[in-house]
Amino acid sequence: GQQLNQSPQSMFIQEGEDVSMNCTSSSIFNTWLWYKQDPGEGPVLLIALYKAGELTSNGRLTAQFGITRKDSFLNISASIPSDVGIYFCAGQLWNTGNQFYFGTGTSLTVIP
Amino acid sequence: NAGVTQTPKFQVLKTGQSMTLQCAQDMNHNSMYWYRQDPGMGLRLIYYSASEGTTDKGEVPNGYNVSRLNKREFSLRLESAAPSQTSVYFCASRITRTNPEAFFGQGTRLTVV
Repeated sequence: GQQLNQSPQSMFIQEGEDVSMNCTSSSIFNTWLWYKQDPGEGPVLLIALYKAGELTSNGRLTAQFGITRKDSFLNISASIPSDVGIYFCAGQLWNTGNQFYFGTGTSLTVIP
Repeated sequence: NAGVTQTPKFQVLKTGQSMTLQCAQDMNHNSMYWYRQDPGMGLRLIYYSASEGTTDKGEVPNGYNVSRLNKREFSLRLESAAPSQTSVYFCASRITRTNPEAFFGQGTRLTVV
């Protein structure tokens, strides 16, 4: 299977701080996605990116599709306690039946 | 607003027992997926069904079988459970296999002892 490396694995930040995380792959992806998983729930899609260099925002979240198509970045500005959860990147390859491959996740803890 | 419904939510099995995880979606989606989530491994695709009547293997299909019973339902069967299958299982659906937005169920936490 495809390897998507996410970093950092975990983050502990103060409320109000900005957060940055990234996802890298050895393969070129055609679509990058970012999901958030709350405890005891399934992942929920935050942002979808469709072309290299694309920068897309969703409220305080901003994600970018890397120019090389092998990486993607997610930033969260002015974090709040409800941002707590695990953030996953996922990449889609057209030549694998449109399967999505998930990264290993970044666990975010926000300290009030 | 049911979305994707998985049953059961929790299950404990003895090694060698069999069971079927059920998944149903009410969004008229064509594509359905089964993932497993293990600590530090992210979500890995077990099987998927791009449309009613078709099923295909994902990254980790060994030890599992699936049935796309109809457009709404996609079940995952463990014929002879092994401790290595202890995991959290998620079902997901998409409108089509090319649409990126996947809707996930709440998961089934399975322990095999």
